[in-house]
Amino acid sequence: DVVMTQSPLSLPVTLGQPASISCRSSQSLLHSDGNTYLNWFQQRPGQSPRRLIYQVSNRDSGVPDRFSGSGSGTDFTLKISRVEAEDVGIYYCMQGTHWPPWTFGQGTKVEIK
Amino acid sequence: QVQLVESGGGVAQPGRSQRLSCAASGFSFSNYGLHWVRQAPGKGLEWMALISYDGGDKYYADSVKGRFTISRDNSKNTVFLEMNSLRVEDTAVYYCARAYSLDIAVVPDYWGQGTLVTVSS
Repeated sequence: DVVMTQSPLSLPVTLGQPASISCRSSQSLLHSDGNTYLNWFQQRPGQSPRRLIYQVSNRDSGVPDRFSGSGSGTDFTLKISRVEAEDVGIYYCMQGTHWPPWTFGQGTKVEIK
Repeated sequence: QVQLVESGGGVAQPGRSQRLSCAASGFSFSNYGLHWVRQAPGKGLEWMALISYDGGDKYYADSVKGRFTISRDNSKNTVFLEMNSLRVEDTAVYYCARAYSLDIAVVPDYWGQGTLVTVSS
């Protein structure tokens, strides 16, 4: 199974400042079809998860452009250019290249300083 | 709009069974695979099972293989999770989530609000 490792696990940020979350996979997520199936999910307090990013860098509909994803192979990053209060929550990376199983990172808790 | 509504959660004793349902609306149900993903209290997300758009393919996490069964009824736009031989460690919020059938990665996009299953004597 592919192990997904996120860092940091806790990220205190100042409103309006940038934030960055790292996700590393135990094996390359480059699929034989040439795509890389790395996704990011946001879970706000008391809510169900919401997909933000698919295939490394594609934002889902309605996702603000302050969210961006990047990376390749085994190293990926989610960046928030200017953190807003509504961005508080837990962020998970998830791989969809080597399944089953679909595997998630441990989650990174973003909170306001 | 897309809606996934889980039901069937509650308290169950260890060793007993529980059946969860997820009713879908707002999209072409038969074009989507459906996942079950769980989240133990205060913990992260754990994938449990996937059923393909037509029910022909099913996949399970090792932790529930042989105990849980996923199924679907496309005439009722509903997916089920039959959970047998429940253990205390199965206590979690269970989410259903859809995944487009033509997505080779079958990644969940929309998720339901979840239903809590508590296994306790």
